[in-house]
Amino acid sequence: AQSVTQLDSQVPVFEEAPVELRCNYSSSVSVYLFWYVQYPNQGLQLLLKYLSGSTLVKGINGFEAEFNKSQTSFHLRKPSVHISDTAEYFCAVTDSWGKLQFGAGTQVVVTP
Amino acid sequence: GAVVSQHPSRVICKSGTSVKIECRSLDFQATTMFWYRQFPKQSLMLMATSNEGSKATYEQGVEKDKFLINHASLTLSTLTVTSAHPEDSSFYICSSDSGGEQYFGPGTRLTVT
Repeated sequence: AQSVTQLDSQVPVFEEAPVELRCNYSSSVSVYLFWYVQYPNQGLQLLLKYLSGSTLVKGINGFEAEFNKSQTSFHLRKPSVHISDTAEYFCAVTDSWGKLQFGAGTQVVVTP
Repeated sequence: GAVVSQHPSRVICKSGTSVKIECRSLDFQATTMFWYRQFPKQSLMLMATSNEGSKATYEQGVEKDKFLINHASLTLSTLTVTSAHPEDSSFYICSSDSGGEQYFGPGTRLTVT
């Protein structure tokens, strides 16, 4: 079984400042890792995913994440946020295609 | 990318009635679909895995007689909330896998009064 911990429930950030959202996971087997974004009353949109290969993964909207196996982390970063990045962000893990285990989510609030 | 739709986007029903939510894969065939429930300000919790042509697999703690799932075709899965109660009010999201990536529907907001 796997589990996902998102360490911050809410992250306030000023526009054009950098942001990092932390995600740690636990699993006894190899996993695939994902970051999703959810805007109010909408479904989830995939930002990026780690399946294998390079540990630095680049996604959409300027986001990137780094897989660190020794620290069992998959932190999400963006060097300069926009107002439109205000949303809920979910880290997720799976050990096989299909069933995703989600973290509790991190609410990012970008202010001018 | 692949598109998953849900209908309706929001529904209000009275306590004791049943509500059906549809999940469709618009441009791919989905042998497996997943149903999630999301309470306000909480994460998504997997309710069940819907398999085309066979019985759904429910997660622990999810009542299969209350949340009826039917996956009769490769593009349609339905979730019926039977005898709905106010505590069933939630955001229901479906997803399916295509080409190794999960695609999520836009969600259905259920409010039981």
